[in-house]
Amino acid sequence: GAVVSQHPSRVICKSGTSVKIECRSLDFQATTMFWYRQFPKKSLMLMATSNEGSKATYEQGVEKDKFLINHASLTLSTLTVTSAHPEDSSFYICSAWGRALGEQYFGPGTRLTVT
Amino acid sequence: AQSVTQLGSHVSVSEGALVLLRCNYSSSVPPYLFWYVQYPNQGLQLLLKYTTGATLVKGINGFEAEFKKSETSFHLTKPSAHMSDAAEYFCAVSERTGNQFYFGTGTSLTVIP
Repeated sequence: GAVVSQHPSRVICKSGTSVKIECRSLDFQATTMFWYRQFPKKSLMLMATSNEGSKATYEQGVEKDKFLINHASLTLSTLTVTSAHPEDSSFYICSAWGRALGEQYFGPGTRLTVT
Repeated sequence: AQSVTQLGSHVSVSEGALVLLRCNYSSSVPPYLFWYVQYPNQGLQLLLKYTTGATLVKGINGFEAEFKKSETSFHLTKPSAHMSDAAEYFCAVSERTGNQFYFGTGTSLTVIP
């Protein structure tokens, strides 16, 4: 079946630094990618939707200048957390939708810890 | 926007007992419905989904769910719980393919030996 990967799976960074998370669709072209955030013991909340070649659409309350999303190709989207703070520590999960497949697949997630 | 309600944030069952996890959604139009399982520090694994057709959907690991339009429900069941079923379960809906998912708050399943 279709596979979506995320890199890194875990990252620890110091407060004030930036960290980039990659989401790749390994065997299909992802027209649309979604970025979700999961707080401990909580559900997944959509952060933004990105279409290849277009600017991401952010959900209300999500700072677009802090969470930079780039969807430069049909197989790669990146989420950059800029000037990270401890409250940004979370589990970030991407999903990718391929029009040809008509299915949406989730990545394995990235655990971000900001110290 | 859609909303998804999962009744019971924690469910405990004995090994071998029936598992029933409840999910209700709000939508005037039947959405696509999904159940995912998440093990600690891991991503989401699709258990099953309903899009169209037969309302009783069978998934992996012996799970099944029934879409009941009149009740706007999509409850997840398994006849006999196994220790390996202990995990967090999320119900999700999507208005159509390619749209964002709306997730319920999750139900933590504990299986008692």
